[in-house]
Amino acid sequence: DQQVKQNSPSLSVQEGRISILNCDYTNSMFDYFLWYKKYPAEGPTFLISISSIKDKNEDGRFTVFLNKSAKHLSLHIVPSQPGDSAVYFCAARTMEYGNKLVFGAGTILRVKS
Amino acid sequence: DAGVTQSPTHLIKTRGQHVTLRCSPISGHKSVSWYQQVLGQGPQFIFQYYEKEERGRGNFPDRFSARQFPNYSSELNVNALLLGDSALYLCASSPPGVYTQYFGPGTRLTVL
Repeated sequence: DQQVKQNSPSLSVQEGRISILNCDYTNSMFDYFLWYKKYPAEGPTFLISISSIKDKNEDGRFTVFLNKSAKHLSLHIVPSQPGDSAVYFCAARTMEYGNKLVFGAGTILRVKS
Repeated sequence: DAGVTQSPTHLIKTRGQHVTLRCSPISGHKSVSWYQQVLGQGPQFIFQYYEKEERGRGNFPDRFSARQFPNYSSELNVNALLLGDSALYLCASSPPGVYTQYFGPGTRLTVL
């Protein structure tokens, strides 16, 4: 039961351009959404989050947009840098079964210089 | 400040054996969660502990158990290991009242 889906396994972007990573969810009980970045042999690193009562949150080069009616969120990275190359996971929080995060399968981002 | 630490980094076991993984949360964080990540998938929730009490359990068999100690560190135990238990086991901590979870580097478990 994939409640959080990242339908693009990979994305390739030129340095300096915008990277847009997408995520869809099905559970209307999700109330908080997060993006994590993961390098090989490391744990996920928290990037940015958004509450379900907002539609946008910005932190430097990273902006997350939430469209509740479409059950869709996206992460925009502007401008993209080669160091952004990593696996990006979308996660959603629910109080069902405790303070649990439900993750998507991830999107591999490659930023070409 | 030190982040979440996990030990050991890597572990190789054979089928049927038992394993204990350890996690120390960020100072001041009272909640610890465990996740399993297999190749090509996102992390899957196993357990959450807060103030030494289990607050959540994912869809994992009873072979998986955990506990949290008075200093908020935690152990994940897996009995009767199967080949399918081979994965990266991640520990995450969060401070009181905050939804964001901060992850450690993980323990890579290989079951032969």
